[in-house]
Amino acid sequence: GENVEQHPSTLSVQEGDSAVIKCTYSDSASNYFPWYKQELGKRPQLIIDIRSNVGEKKDQRIAVTLNKTAKHFSLHITETQPEDSAVYFCAASKQGGGADGLTFGKGTHLIIQP
Amino acid sequence: NAGVTQTPKFRVLKTGQSMTLLCAQDMNHEYMYWYRQDPGMGLRLIHYSVGEGTTAKGEVPDGYNVSRLKKQNFLLGLESAAPSQTSVYFCASSYLTVGLSEQYFGPGTRLTVT
Repeated sequence: GENVEQHPSTLSVQEGDSAVIKCTYSDSASNYFPWYKQELGKRPQLIIDIRSNVGEKKDQRIAVTLNKTAKHFSLHITETQPEDSAVYFCAASKQGGGADGLTFGKGTHLIIQP
Repeated sequence: NAGVTQTPKFRVLKTGQSMTLLCAQDMNHEYMYWYRQDPGMGLRLIHYSVGEGTTAKGEVPDGYNVSRLKKQNFLLGLESAAPSQTSVYFCASSYLTVGLSEQYFGPGTRLTVT
């Protein structure tokens, strides 16, 4: 089955700096890659997703890049703010819409230092 | 529009007891999922359903059963609870259509098995 590796497990950055979280996947048939943000005690919430026919997608301060050949994708957050502090999860799915469920990475705890 | 709801929010079980977790969604989603979240492990798929009356196994199905008798409900059962099933359980749902594939998560059920 699919295996998703996520790095780093903890990332501390100064407020205003950029943060980058990287994930690799094992199954070349995977074609849908969402990123979720989870605040302490809350449910995961989708922040951005990308499909395998696109190399990059941007939404304000958040961007995701996908390299299908290398089977890795990354989350980029620019101009970080205190409210960006949370755990971020990458995920992958083969069914485009995630119909067969998502395989998640183990998460990155992002800490924004004031 | 309540989105995805889960009942109960918290539960403590003794080893060997049984219980059922209820997930309900009012978004007319075809797909529904059960995940468990353990510290340092990310979310792992237990079972999922692609429509009323259908279920399928995910990554960690052992010790759990599910049923989807109505489109809006997805039940997760533990027949004989074990301490290894102590976890936070999240239900999610999504549309069938590729392009409308965001998985919406419920608030979670925190289960402790003693």
